Amino acid sequence: EIVLTQSPATLSLSPGERATFSCRASQNILFYLAWYQQKPGQAPRLLIYDASNRETGVPARFSGSGSGTDFTLTISSLEPEDFALYYCQHRTNGPPRVTFGQGTRLDIK
Amino acid sequence: QVHLVQSGAEVKKPGASVKVSCKASGYTFTIYEINWVRQAAGQGLEWMGWMNPHSGSTVYAQSFQGRVAMTRNTSLSTAYLELTSLRSEDTAIYYCAKRHDSTFYTFHPWGQGTLVTVSS
Repeated sequence: EIVLTQSPATLSLSPGERATFSCRASQNILFYLAWYQQKPGQAPRLLIYDASNRETGVPARFSGSGSGTDFTLTISSLEPEDFALYYCQHRTNGPPRVTFGQGTRLDIK
Repeated sequence: QVHLVQSGAEVKKPGASVKVSCKASGYTFTIYEINWVRQAAGQGLEWMGWMNPHSGSTVYAQSFQGRVAMTRNTSLSTAYLELTSLRSEDTAIYYCAKRHDSTFYTFHPWGQGTLVTVSS
């Protein structure tokens, strides 16, 4: 079973700063990684798929990178609405087995 | 525009069953798989399983095997999640999510969530 480990658990930053989230897979998952944002009381929202492709409507300040086992989500300049939870996710090819990371909370400093 | 609208909150006693619905609109229901994900209060996201609305075939996460059933009514464009033998640890928000148009493994969009509370 593939395990996704996110770090840090919590990130405390100010608006305008750059945020960097890490997601590490326990084995090579090529580029099959997605990132989601979840705000309090809301369902998760897809931000990035295939490690680096922005979903339609997602602001350009969000970018993803990485392949294999190490992946990064970057928010170039934080807006007030970006303070939320962020999860990475993978699904195996063939019979589906889905894994989420444990999440990183982005707090206002 | 694609929407998934879920049924309302439920309160159940331990040992009972719950059935949550997820009505799809804005696309051809039978083309894209529906996944179910749950989230306990203050916890992360836990995938429960996957259903192919065309064939009705399912794959369930191992931790739910024997207790979960995912079904659909294609004429209503609605997917269902049934969870039996409920226990307090099943108290959570349950989400349905459509497979993304372009990738086999991502979820977009999600339903609004259904809170299931298990309490005596």
